[in-house]
Amino acid sequence: DAGVIQSPRHEVTEMGQEVTLRCKPISGHDYLFWYRQTMMRGLELLIYFNNNVPIDDSGMPEDRFSAKMPNASFSTLKIQPSEPRDSAVYFCASRPQGRGQPQHFGDGTRLSIL
Amino acid sequence: AQTVTQSQPEMSVQEAETVTLSCTYDTSESDYYLFWYKQPPSRQMILVIRQEAYKQQNATENRFSVNFQKAAKSFSLKISDSQLGDAAMYFCAYRSAGESSGDKLTFGTGTRLAVRP
Repeated sequence: DAGVIQSPRHEVTEMGQEVTLRCKPISGHDYLFWYRQTMMRGLELLIYFNNNVPIDDSGMPEDRFSAKMPNASFSTLKIQPSEPRDSAVYFCASRPQGRGQPQHFGDGTRLSIL
Repeated sequence: AQTVTQSQPEMSVQEAETVTLSCTYDTSESDYYLFWYKQPPSRQMILVIRQEAYKQQNATENRFSVNFQKAAKSFSLKISDSQLGDAAMYFCAYRSAGESSGDKLTFGTGTRLAVRP
């Protein structure tokens, strides 16, 4: 079975540009999560969805960040405009319904804002 | 709010030996889940093992086992017969089971494990 698929794997762009990160969760998983990993702050939850509906976006740093899940098999995380401090590894994860089900992570997108 | 503490930034183990990684957490809840994830240099986040707080029996997955001490709020990971492929960053994570707490995974800061040949 395919795991969580993220694209691109690496992204390098200049400050001020729009960045779009993509995620395809595991088929049948009802929950989708976006995390950010930095050396300073470790792994932080940005937002998560249940059945395509955003449930908790309290981790989204500011209005420059937005996330959508138009259907059960696709989600995007957008940063506009991007800033150097947004440089990080962004992970998408998904999990099925059910008590104690673990989250399964994608390979992450390494984002560098110059 | 829950916190997860991994007090060992780095650990080293000889190949084929056993190593234990420490994790403590702080919570006022009685029902929750605990996880260990492995992050090798390839940067994938791989689930190693999970524990449900209401189960007293310690979880085991092949060479990986945990020592779950609920009263002490401790959740250590033991790796037996260490292999070179075990070299990675290991993260301990907490998740509440309560409906009102959402689905947030709270991670520790990680322990980098080196395996000496």
